[in-house]
Amino acid sequence: DAGVTQSPTHLIKTRGQQVTLRCSPKSGHDTVSWYQQALGQGPQFIFQYYEEEERQRGNFPDRFSGHQFPNYSSELNVNALLLGDSALYLCASSLLPTSYEQYFGPGTRLTVT
Amino acid sequence: AQSVSQHNHHVILSEAASLELGCNYSYGGTVNLFWYVQYPGQHLQLLLKYFSGDPLVKGIKGFEAEFIKSKFSFNLRKPSVQWSDTAEYFCAVNPNFGNEKLTFGTGTRLTIIP
Repeated sequence: DAGVTQSPTHLIKTRGQQVTLRCSPKSGHDTVSWYQQALGQGPQFIFQYYEEEERQRGNFPDRFSGHQFPNYSSELNVNALLLGDSALYLCASSLLPTSYEQYFGPGTRLTVT
Repeated sequence: AQSVSQHNHHVILSEAASLELGCNYSYGGTVNLFWYVQYPGQHLQLLLKYFSGDPLVKGIKGFEAEFIKSKFSFNLRKPSVQWSDTAEYFCAVNPNFGNEKLTFGTGTRLTIIP
């Protein structure tokens, strides 16, 4: 039973560039949530996707966008990168509406220079 | 909006010492409560969870937590820590009406001295 997988593991980008991060949910899960974890902080909710639609969103600017595919995998896109976007980006999957538990992937470490 | 406070930022203990990490949340409704652990170089893992029922919940690796509704608290405990418990511990909450977003505390770094 494969857990949540994310790619790439690490990424280095320059300010102003755009980045796409990918996530495959745990087998059997249909919902994907994205979190940003800055150094020394707890994860902050970015948004959640269910049935290929953004279901809820945290306090992040429109530069952060996402997508969910029919196979439940998901992408997180960040445009016009800022130095402050450097963080660990976590993907979590779950099964709506029966489960309150979210399973986390290993994350993608994004460094913006 | 809900919020979670973890007042212990860094805790250092010797092996076999008892552990209690504080977690307080702010939310007016019914909540689900979680403790996650992040071992060095590893991803977030669920330690234990509380949805309803017995307010004393037991998780993996000998950890337990007690939900005290009147105090809006969900403190994590372990009677005797081991060196392998060195990790970052996060308390999290979400509203108990659906798979809503998790709100995390800032985390507590636990260092166990052999």
